[in-house]
Amino acid sequence: EVQLVESGGGLVQPGGSLRLSCAASGFTFTNAWMSWVRQAPGKGLEWIAHIKSKTEAETTEYAAPVKGRFTISRDDSKNTLYLQMNSLKTEDTAVYYCTTEWAGGFNSWGQGTMVTVSS
Amino acid sequence: DVVMTQSPLSLPVTLGQPASISCRSSQSLVYSDGNTYLNWFHQRPGQSPRRLIYKVSNRDSGVPDRFSGSGSGTDFTLKISRVEAEDVGVYYCMQGTHWFTFGQGTKLEIK
Repeated sequence: EVQLVESGGGLVQPGGSLRLSCAASGFTFTNAWMSWVRQAPGKGLEWIAHIKSKTEAETTEYAAPVKGRFTISRDDSKNTLYLQMNSLKTEDTAVYYCTTEWAGGFNSWGQGTMVTVSS
Repeated sequence: DVVMTQSPLSLPVTLGQPASISCRSSQSLVYSDGNTYLNWFHQRPGQSPRRLIYKVSNRDSGVPDRFSGSGSGTDFTLKISRVEAEDVGVYYCMQGTHWFTFGQGTKLEIK
């Protein structure tokens, strides 16, 4: 069974940094393409970052609102996905979901971790 | 950027009756490999989203056959043949052809 467990969320001041982690199990993480998707309170879903597998050079892509501030990475030895978030803004407040990608979409989701950016 | 527009945004349905949600994209979702990467997700209150449909009309594992997807190019539809109580929540379409963009969501409730 696929399991994705996010951690690292919390309260941070505007301009601060946070690193989210996603521990993966139940599938071959090394081969998987992964993404982060977020959901602001009471709002819809927003894709923010993608990373390919090592065989595709761990190529990354970002949505415009986070480009240059967020960095997605992976450690295949630990079956873990990361999201480094810098220069955080109040509008980054959201639940952040770790997802696997397959057939042009997100077929497995974690339970999410809440990030609150507030002074 | 590709814009995904869903309608209606609110959908009251009687139990046992059919339901339909429309999703339109601002540009064609046909990818260079010939596939159309249009997905449908369901999110119950307080839960993570779950994918129901991929590549327009393919049901994910464990998805009841009362859910069906159709469409092509820029116009797509999710249909529920007979709504059950567990179907309440928000439904999102999402394109995966030009990176990823979600629709605004359609809230399905029981009348």
